[in-house]
Amino acid sequence: EPEVTQTPSHQVTQMGQEVILRCVPISNHLYFYWYRQILGQKVEFLVSFYNNEISEKSEIFDDQFSVERPDGSNFTLKIRSTKLEDSAMYFCASATALRGTEAFFGQGTRLTVV
Amino acid sequence: LAKTTQPISMDSYEGQEVNITCSHNNIATNDYITWYQQFPSQGPRFIIQGYKTKVTNEVASLFIPADRKSSTLSLPRVSLSDTAVYYCLVGDPMNRDDKIIFGKGTRLHILP
Repeated sequence: EPEVTQTPSHQVTQMGQEVILRCVPISNHLYFYWYRQILGQKVEFLVSFYNNEISEKSEIFDDQFSVERPDGSNFTLKIRSTKLEDSAMYFCASATALRGTEAFFGQGTRLTVV
Repeated sequence: LAKTTQPISMDSYEGQEVNITCSHNNIATNDYITWYQQFPSQGPRFIIQGYKTKVTNEVASLFIPADRKSSTLSLPRVSLSDTAVYYCLVGDPMNRDDKIIFGKGTRLHILP
């Protein structure tokens, strides 16, 4: 069964450092998303990406965040200068051209900012 | 996006049937109802989606009354491994601007 893969599974970084979280969406999917989940809280939408551009972003997705699809297979989330409050699970998801409400999520990257 | 309301938590026992109800009074004509499951430290996983009446797959059944203002996710004969958070979402699958937004979900705890 096709799946969304994320790397690394766990990343520890110092406050102020840049991190790049990587995702390989399912190959024939055209819609891509990043979500985050702070420990014990709900899954929060960060950004959606379609046709090589951001289609929507939340208020969490400020200038410190950026996304890229550099080579047609990877989908990355960059945090330029991490803060303690960026510590969370980050989930990548992808969906088919039907843009349905059925999205496939990766296993997540646990980001710990120290 | 239609707002949804579901219980914060539920307990049940192994072997029981579990029904989780979600209210969505403001559901729009083109909206579908979708349920996701999330195990601890994992990403959400699509379970089932429906528009009206009943939908069944290998994991669950989804019951939607005629007025579509609520829906019930039914898990037959649960086991300990069904302990998870279950999210009810309402949205238009064909609307490009209709992103997937999760609420707090229902935390289901299965007891031995």
